[in-house]
Amino acid sequence: GQNIDQPTEMTATEGAIVQINCTYQTSGFNGLFWYQQHAGEAPTFLSYNVLDGLEEKGRFSSFLSRSKGYSYLLLKELQMKDSASYLCAGPGGNNRKLIWGLGTSLAVNP
Amino acid sequence: EAQVTQNPRYLITVTGKKLTVTCSQNMNHEYMSWYRQDPGLGLRQIYYSMNVEVTDKGDVPEGYKVSRKEKRNFPLILESPSPNQTSLYFCASSLASGSYEQYFGPGTRLTVT
Repeated sequence: GQNIDQPTEMTATEGAIVQINCTYQTSGFNGLFWYQQHAGEAPTFLSYNVLDGLEEKGRFSSFLSRSKGYSYLLLKELQMKDSASYLCAGPGGNNRKLIWGLGTSLAVNP
Repeated sequence: EAQVTQNPRYLITVTGKKLTVTCSQNMNHEYMSWYRQDPGLGLRQIYYSMNVEVTDKGDVPEGYKVSRKEKRNFPLILESPSPNQTSLYFCASSLASGSYEQYFGPGTRLTVT
């Protein structure tokens, strides 16, 4: 089966670091996406991990362990504008679709 | 500018009145998809298209129709809308399949009374 789990809500303080986890049970996932979605807006692409390990992109980094079915998104030097929902998703259905998690709503407080 | 456009952005309609939400992309993408997003349920795929004249059902296709006569356009048709189709709808496209980055349109907020 293909299920994706992530925490529903998280809170953090401006300037801090936060890690958003995503676990999945899958047969055939060959990578994992992270998207950011501000309230009422469209999701926007953050990262796609195909290989195990950490990929850094500015303040955001994403990690993947395919053997453990585990990924995380690391946000550093949090800013108020980082308050958003963070969605993880994996290619499923023989790459014909994305399987989406329900998203983690992150609130950054001053 | 590379983009996915949707129209209308907001629509309030009544039960049973047929409507079409248009979606167009200018990136020459093969793959296009429609999603609905509801609180607590996340993004759910309605229909997708791997290429022109090739469409397939997603997870929640009931009550919807699509067509893909041209590569750039992928309209979503509600033949007889019902209140349970009140939702936020997103069109998305990607280069070739579900394993590529998807680009989303701005969304269409539909209310059916």
